[in-house]
Amino acid sequence: DVKVTQSSRYLVKRTGEKVFLECVQDMDHENMFWYRQDPGLGLRLIYFSYDVKMKEKGDIPEGYSVSREKKERFSLILESASTNQTSMYLCASRVTLGTAFYGYTFGSGTRLTVV
Amino acid sequence: DAKTTQPNSMESNEEEPVHLPCNHSTISGTDYIHWYRQLPSQGPEYVIHGLTSNVNNRMASLAIAEDRKSSTLILHRATLRDAAVYYCIPPERWDNYGQNFVFGPGTRLSVLP
Repeated sequence: DVKVTQSSRYLVKRTGEKVFLECVQDMDHENMFWYRQDPGLGLRLIYFSYDVKMKEKGDIPEGYSVSREKKERFSLILESASTNQTSMYLCASRVTLGTAFYGYTFGSGTRLTVV
Repeated sequence: DAKTTQPNSMESNEEEPVHLPCNHSTISGTDYIHWYRQLPSQGPEYVIHGLTSNVNNRMASLAIAEDRKSSTLILHRATLRDAAVYYCIPPERWDNYGQNFVFGPGTRLSVLP
């Protein structure tokens, strides 16, 4: 089974800190995604990556950046954390077009609190 | 792009069947319908997917209307562990590499003992 591992389950950071959220997948998937989830708003796409060193903005990229130096690892960076970035962050990977089933596999999430 | 509507919440008794509906009236003819669920404090997980005919797996069944404008996820005997948010996801966006899932609010299923 594909596994997507997020480095921290819970994180508390101070306003203005630079925050790194790490995500690793073990099935050689090209595509990886970062979402945030807030009550009543569902999952919102922040950034995604088609392959190493590639990145695309999602629906809410402001205040975030990403890094994909290795295929298995996709990092989300909060350059200067703010309280409105308190949220649940979910990483996912996906098999690419051309295979029979292109579903997503999600990590368990990182609950980030910015104080 | 297809738009989906699901009830915000549903309730079921343990050991009884549950039918979770989804309307996707603008779905195109070649788009698969995916269902995911999210257990408390977890990321979403795959449940089932289908194109035209009904599908079964160990978790659930998927009944797809003949005109494909709606589908129903069927849990044959709900357990307390099935309490989750269920997302119906026909493709709303495609990018150059595959289906770009859009997760709406889903249906929150409560299972009563």
